[in-house]
Amino acid sequence: DVKVTQSSRYLVKRTGEKVFLECVQDMDHENMFWYRQDPGLGLRLIYFSYDVKMKEKGDIPEGYSVSREKKERFSLILESASTNQTSMYLCASSPAGTRQYEQYFGPGTRLTVT
Amino acid sequence: RKEVEQDPGPFNVPEGATVAFNCTYSNSASQSFFWYRQDCRKEPKLLMSVYSSGNEDGRFTAQLNRASQYISLLIRDSKLSDSATYLCVVSPPSGNTPLVFGKGTRLSVIA
Repeated sequence: DVKVTQSSRYLVKRTGEKVFLECVQDMDHENMFWYRQDPGLGLRLIYFSYDVKMKEKGDIPEGYSVSREKKERFSLILESASTNQTSMYLCASSPAGTRQYEQYFGPGTRLTVT
Repeated sequence: RKEVEQDPGPFNVPEGATVAFNCTYSNSASQSFFWYRQDCRKEPKLLMSVYSSGNEDGRFTAQLNRASQYISLLIRDSKLSDSATYLCVVSPPSGNTPLVFGKGTRLSVIA
């Protein structure tokens, strides 16, 4: 079974703090993704990566950065957290090739910025 | 125009009912289509792919109409455990571009 784990289920941070969200997958997937999910707005793609040390901006990259130093790990960084970044953050991974559209999601991190 | 549009619902149906969801997509060159399911407070999971010829998996049937650019999901004999949000998902035309997710349709099956 594919397993995608995220470092925290719940996180509370203060405005201006630097926040690290970690994601690890154990199926040797090439592709990894970070989304946020908000009521009424659905899933929105923040960043994605198709290879180690590679990253691409998604639809809403502002205020975020990412790091992929190892194939199995994809980190999302909030350089200076703001209240409008309070959200559910979901990481996903998928294999390359014909199965690239089978995304496996982690359980999510609910981040509250106060 | 939004890329993938779904009726948000909620659809409240009794157990045993048949329910259908539709989804429209804006890019006629989109290549692949999927339904994901998201239970309350859980992560999305792939439910099924959607093929031009239609496909069935038990009580679930997915159909694609390329001419009208819509995808449907039919659930027969609804169970309480089918209660979830169903996300319509489309892959853009170019090979290495991420999936586009609809906002989802919420289904509640009532005893």
